[in-house]
Amino acid sequence: DAKTTQPPSMDCAEGRAANLPCNHSTISGNEYVYWYRQIHSQGPQYIIHGLKNNETNEMASLIITEDRKSSTLILPHATLRDTAVYYCIVRLAYNQGGKLIFGQGTELSVKP
Amino acid sequence: DTGVSQNPRHKITKRGQNVTFRCDPISEHNRLYWYRQTLGQGPEFLTYFQNEAQLEKSRLLSDRFSAERPKGSFSTLEIQRTEQGDSAMYLCASSLARGQNYGYTFGSGTRLTVV
Repeated sequence: DAKTTQPPSMDCAEGRAANLPCNHSTISGNEYVYWYRQIHSQGPQYIIHGLKNNETNEMASLIITEDRKSSTLILPHATLRDTAVYYCIVRLAYNQGGKLIFGQGTELSVKP
Repeated sequence: DTGVSQNPRHKITKRGQNVTFRCDPISEHNRLYWYRQTLGQGPEFLTYFQNEAQLEKSRLLSDRFSAERPKGSFSTLEIQRTEQGDSAMYLCASSLARGQNYGYTFGSGTRLTVV
């Protein structure tokens, strides 16, 4: 069963920041939060992951609340090519197979 | 880095036929996962291997499904006596099982249509 809840869809203007929220209120202490995105008919593409600290890479930033019950993915300057389904995922602990448990995702539409 | 390769990309089969998909993971990755994705849904876990050992199977994996990973390299997923409900995208992912901080690389998937 999914451990994350996301809004089904969001719009963002090109060039603006896209802020995608995610709730994971039942996450356990040793479970990571991962974000992937999927463009139609392709495999999911890794974006970023974190445990409890905020993380930043060349694609995005991940803000995790102190209680770890929610997080936000930030795409700082969205482009039309960022239009995709974004999945917030809980990764189970290593001794549980380290499986990625996907939710329904948020369909982000970046508009000109 | 050639990434994770899945073949075929598309497969159309008649109901009742058997189909087999192949996944070639990143060579140094010792964990391999299979997921299934139906239209409009997120991927669902099916099974995973560490090296050649199949360590877990989801309840979604009925007796008609079997997966292997001989010698801990490539993996195959076979579906026997296909049903229309098996129509989906089948995704493979690989990772290193090393510590707590490892990433997953997905293939482009095999889209199965059962007619």
